[in-house]
Amino acid sequence: AQSVSQHNHHVILSEAASLELGCNYSYGGTVNLFWYVQYPGQHLQLLLKYFSGDPLVKGIKGFEAEFIKSKFSFNLRKPSVQWSDTAEYFCAAKGVYGGATNKLIFGTGTLLAVQP
Amino acid sequence: DTEVTQTPKHLVMGMTNKKSLKCEQHMGHRAMYWYKQKAKKPPELMFVYSYEKLSINESVPSRFSPECPNSSLLNLHLHALQPEDSALYLCASSHPPGNTGELFFGEGSRLTVL
Repeated sequence: AQSVSQHNHHVILSEAASLELGCNYSYGGTVNLFWYVQYPGQHLQLLLKYFSGDPLVKGIKGFEAEFIKSKFSFNLRKPSVQWSDTAEYFCAAKGVYGGATNKLIFGTGTLLAVQP
Repeated sequence: DTEVTQTPKHLVMGMTNKKSLKCEQHMGHRAMYWYKQKAKKPPELMFVYSYEKLSINESVPSRFSPECPNSSLLNLHLHALQPEDSALYLCASSHPPGNTGELFFGEGSRLTVL
């Protein structure tokens, strides 16, 4: 069955600390991978995406993620977090083939709290 | 700001009421979605419309009735809801064909069922 798992449900960091959020997916085929972010009181928005090519992708606000095919992982990183990064982060995956019937699968989310 | 507009932002309704949630996008997207999100949980897919036709219904109870009048609009008609249906209802849109999975979300309609 298709699934996305996020290992950390709640992460608390101090400003300037480095961040790494784990994401693993289970899917029998080629996938597109995403990190979405939901800031307090705001809509879900795309942080970054991986379709193909360079496995290290850069997104907005200094975030990056690395696709490691052998580990079925797509971990999110940021060298130095800010208080404004406090948000919920969702990893998501979607099979490349199958069109609209192939659904976007979300992980359970990681709530990041950055302390000033 | 998001380019997917949802109204109303907040809705309180009784279990016998009939109400509707509305969603509009002008990005030329031809796939539109309804998701339900409970607090501290990921969004759960409810319905997908592709080219104005219902392509996915995730076994949603019939008290939720989606409608896609045209390529820019998506409605969710609500009738005889239960308190456990209280949640944030998210609309999203994307480009088909292929549908890469990159979705554009609205801010949501927060529904409370009394």
